[in-house]
Amino acid sequence: GNSVTQMEGPVTLSEEAFLTINCTYTATGYPSLFWYVQYPGEGLQLLLKATKADDKGSNKGFEATYRKETTSFHLEKGSVQVSDSAVYFCALSPNRGGGFKTIFGAGTRLFVKA
Amino acid sequence: NAGVTQTPKFRVLKTGQSMTLLCAQDMNHEYMYWYRQDPGMGLRLIHYSVGEGTTAKGEVPDGYNVSRLKKQNFLLGLESAAPSQTSVYFCASTSINQPQHFGDGTRLSIL
Repeated sequence: GNSVTQMEGPVTLSEEAFLTINCTYTATGYPSLFWYVQYPGEGLQLLLKATKADDKGSNKGFEATYRKETTSFHLEKGSVQVSDSAVYFCALSPNRGGGFKTIFGAGTRLFVKA
Repeated sequence: NAGVTQTPKFRVLKTGQSMTLLCAQDMNHEYMYWYRQDPGMGLRLIHYSVGEGTTAKGEVPDGYNVSRLKKQNFLLGLESAAPSQTSVYFCASTSINQPQHFGDGTRLSIL
């Protein structure tokens, strides 16, 4: 079946450090891949997405590339800020583009220290 | 531009009480979902709906019921609350080929 595995947290970084949060997936066909972010006390928000192999999603300085050969969608940011402290969820949807049912990873909590 | 609205935001119940959580979306989305979020467990799908008048079970449906009488509303009911149902509940909605949009959650404690 479909599944998403992401690195366990928490991840603690100093401001301006480089961030990588690993995500790998198992799926049949051609899923769409997503990163969502959850700030304290809020619901999940879409951070970025990629709908086909080799696509790069990007937003707010975050990037992730859809790697079909390694079934990965790692999240990266070159220089994190305190305001990036949140929980990050990797997710996949079996349907191209998103929608119907989305499979979420367990989430990775990021703390950024000033 | 409300998006997905959940009510109430917080609630404390006693074991055995019943309640209904309301989710409303103003984006004309076909699909709606109820999740629960527990520490270390990520999001788990409780029930979902693919259209007005239809509902289906998700990963953890026991102890919950849902109804989708109107396209914009999706109700989650707890018939007899148990401490194991203490959680944060999220509603989400979407249309085909779109990412899910989430509400801000309902924090439910059952004593």
